Amino acid sequence: AQKVTQAQTEISVVEKEDVTLDCVYETRDTTYYLFWYKQPPSGELVFLIRRNSFDEQNEISGRYSWNFQKSTSSFNFTITASQVVDSAVYFCALRKETSGSRLTFGEGTQLTVNP
Amino acid sequence: DTGVSQNPRHKITKRGQNVTFRCDPISEHNRLYWYRQTLGQGPEFLTYFQNEAQLEKSRLLSDRFSAERPKGSFSTLEIQRTEQGDSAMYLCASSARDYPQETQYFGPGTRLLVL
Repeated sequence: AQKVTQAQTEISVVEKEDVTLDCVYETRDTTYYLFWYKQPPSGELVFLIRRNSFDEQNEISGRYSWNFQKSTSSFNFTITASQVVDSAVYFCALRKETSGSRLTFGEGTQLTVNP
Repeated sequence: DTGVSQNPRHKITKRGQNVTFRCDPISEHNRLYWYRQTLGQGPEFLTYFQNEAQLEKSRLLSDRFSAERPKGSFSTLEIQRTEQGDSAMYLCASSARDYPQETQYFGPGTRLLVL
């Protein structure tokens, strides 16, 4: 079975603070893919990043960075200098190579950035 | 390049009625997915198509649910004899066949309320 856990249900920060969203996953597969999506109040899931299990290199994209650690089965997401527009629900998701195309999502973290 | 579109965006119906939702994927994407998202939860996989073939169905997809993608382009999801438990956001996503690197891009969803 595969599972994604986002232990932080809600996080509230003040603008310009850095914030890290945690994601822990479970899978027995050696090849898998991890994703982060953003869901603003409008409801549409916006793709942020995909990471393959065989590539542990961390990635930075502007104010966003991702820390992938296979040893702890974690794929954490950090927003630097948060802005009010970052307020949304963020989902971590897993796709196993052996599970076809289905994504397994965590329960999401509601991030609120206050001015 | 337009994104995934879904219609209607909102639907209110009475218990026992049938409803149908439509999804138009990104052009030239041959894979199309349906997910269901209830309040405070992450999306859950329902079914997916590769071209016109329905390749996988979740156990969540009861006999009252049927999905089609007749010409390998748009898809419809029909719920017969709706129940209050069917109230949810129904999300559609599409991807190009760059397996295993595929990324699913989501539409804005159809929010269903069954009274």
